[in-house]
Amino acid sequence: RKEVEQDPGPFNVPEGATVAFNCTYSNSASQSFFWYRQDCRKEPKLLMSVYSSGNEDGRFTAQLNRASQYISLLIRDSKLSDSATYLCVVNIEDSNYQLIWGAGTKLIIKP
Amino acid sequence: DAGVTQSPTHLIKTRGQHVTLRCSPISGHKSVSWYQQVLGQGPQFIFQYYEKEERGRGNFPDRFSARQFPNYSSELNVNALLLGDSALYLCASSLEGASYEQYFGPGTRLTVT
Repeated sequence: RKEVEQDPGPFNVPEGATVAFNCTYSNSASQSFFWYRQDCRKEPKLLMSVYSSGNEDGRFTAQLNRASQYISLLIRDSKLSDSATYLCVVNIEDSNYQLIWGAGTKLIIKP
Repeated sequence: DAGVTQSPTHLIKTRGQHVTLRCSPISGHKSVSWYQQVLGQGPQFIFQYYEKEERGRGNFPDRFSARQFPNYSSELNVNALLLGDSALYLCASSLEGASYEQYFGPGTRLTVT
């Protein structure tokens, strides 16, 4: 089982719709969680950190479920510019100090 | 403010050669991480440096090495290049360790022929 798993998609969604992705992680010692977005052939850009209490930034809402070991990202009123790959990232604070990245979920917003 | 910068942006090398990639973090950031990303996959962690010391190492062969300088810039070195080393190499800076948000440079696209 991969340490961080995401549905690769693509998710084809009409403009204005609400879309949600989940990301599951296998290590219960995971401490920090992030969502990044990556446009084609560009570098990943931080979208938001995911806090235990959940957090919202405009049309984007992230949730953490430690019991079931997953994080989620909800995008409301989707825009054409939301088309990208969304990467889930988990930090495990063991001796190796590394971030574990999912392979990403591709989102395509259609007019 | 300048973001993370990387050089060169593109590079073509042949098998067996050596390559050095460079990264300058955001001003005030003390940690630099290196990643390899191949098409269709998420970034794979190679190294993390904090305050000039290696803090983490991913599952990459000894052909990969790195260092961080007193000004917090960093170099990634790859020896004896293989075709499979062709990828986008990303540098990310953060204030401190991996539990902080990371900010990426545009990457160096390495092609090994």
